[in-house]
Amino acid sequence: ETGVTQTPRHLVMGMTNKKSLKCEQHLGHNAMYWYKQSAKKPLELMFVYSLEERVENNSVPSRFSPECPNSSHLFLHLHTLQPEDSALYLCASSQDLTTSQPQHFGDGTRLSIL
Amino acid sequence: QKEVEQDPGPLSVPEGAIVSLNCTYSNSAFQYFMWYRQYSRKGPELLMYTYSSGNKEDGRFTAQVDKSSKYISLFIRDSQPSDSATYLCAMSALENNDMRFGAGTRLTVKP
Repeated sequence: ETGVTQTPRHLVMGMTNKKSLKCEQHLGHNAMYWYKQSAKKPLELMFVYSLEERVENNSVPSRFSPECPNSSHLFLHLHTLQPEDSALYLCASSQDLTTSQPQHFGDGTRLSIL
Repeated sequence: QKEVEQDPGPLSVPEGAIVSLNCTYSNSAFQYFMWYRQYSRKGPELLMYTYSSGNKEDGRFTAQVDKSSKYISLFIRDSQPSDSATYLCAMSALENNDMRFGAGTRLTVKP
């Protein structure tokens, strides 16, 4: 399997549930990212990891908790989400954090909060 | 003023038309410019990647960057129905990989 794989593809959860999104990259990259994509809005960068260390957290509410156990896997743990958190959550990876390397995206998890 | 401005469309053209997609930006530090194509229910796919000003061509696609005007374009020649997708522009500065995205332009190419 190649590229960036995200699971599940769709997730419906209540506001009190706890769930996790998973991302796996098979590109040998060292940097991984979580983005939120809402309708008609630009992608919002949420978290950046480089070599399993978090290097950026863009003022994301604590109900979103990332985890990067190794350079190939990235998780986003969800707890007590709000309806406005319904969106497409995209994972991306790049060789490293230098700008000469473009980011490659997975197909996302479509999240719906009831 | 938004850091990256992109007309959301929708844009509808007949098959075979030349398509022009554009973004403007305000941050003169941006040096790397990208175009991504996103099909429905899929993630963004890197289409074109350019550094600084100038043109880059890849098949039917041409990316142009005019840093003096803070304006980038993507041209699609001989457009096909398979080009129907949302096109996202993205850019980043020299010192970090913090990419800024446009909101995307939805394109439909009609047979």
